[in-house]
Amino acid sequence: DQQVKQNSPSLSVQEGRISILNCDYTNSMFDYFLWYKKYPAEGPTFLISISSIKDKNEDGRFTVFLNKSAKHLSLHIVPSQPGDSAVYFCAASARVVTGANNLFFGTGTRLTVIP
Amino acid sequence: EAGVTQFPSHSVIEKGQTVTLRCDPISGHDNLYWYRRVMGKEIKFLLHFVKESKQDESGMPNNRFLAERTGGTYSTLKVQPAELEDSGVYFCASSPGTSGAGEQYFGPGTRLTVT
Repeated sequence: DQQVKQNSPSLSVQEGRISILNCDYTNSMFDYFLWYKKYPAEGPTFLISISSIKDKNEDGRFTVFLNKSAKHLSLHIVPSQPGDSAVYFCAASARVVTGANNLFFGTGTRLTVIP
Repeated sequence: EAGVTQFPSHSVIEKGQTVTLRCDPISGHDNLYWYRRVMGKEIKFLLHFVKESKQDESGMPNNRFLAERTGGTYSTLKVQPAELEDSGVYFCASSPGTSGAGEQYFGPGTRLTVT
């Protein structure tokens, strides 16, 4: 039933190294993908997005890669910083195909960046 | 510019009681969404308003939930009568009407505990 999956509940990385967070999806109608970052007691904050017509989008230290054939996307953070420690949610929508803008979320991956 | 605000931040009620959650979107945002996260699970879509109209309420779990957005500004989500399984964090999000990027801006959430 869950259409967006984040199979790693947690990830620990040394400061300065690369963090790679993974996400898989099952619905082929998804055409827009987003990553959100969430700190405790706060709402999710938009981080970066990618349209299905692209395979890569970069914004500073954050890069999202999309592999449509594998229905897989990943978020790379380079270099990782202690302030990046948070829960990261992958989300998807089928807004072009269905006109609906509601987001489908994964269960999140807790990233811990060790100083 | 003020972000999305939600009230209350936390509510504890007994089974069978009524609770009303409020969301104030970012000023000028026509789109308003409600989501819910049950403990440890994914954030799930409940419904979407465009101005005062319900665009999509496919995620509403049952008729104990009633959402309104009178005047197209703030929104309320009423749960009546509350059940134990309604416990979770209720997030509200908003986006501008002509958003091409599709990201939604989330509030801090209301943590609802039904005992």
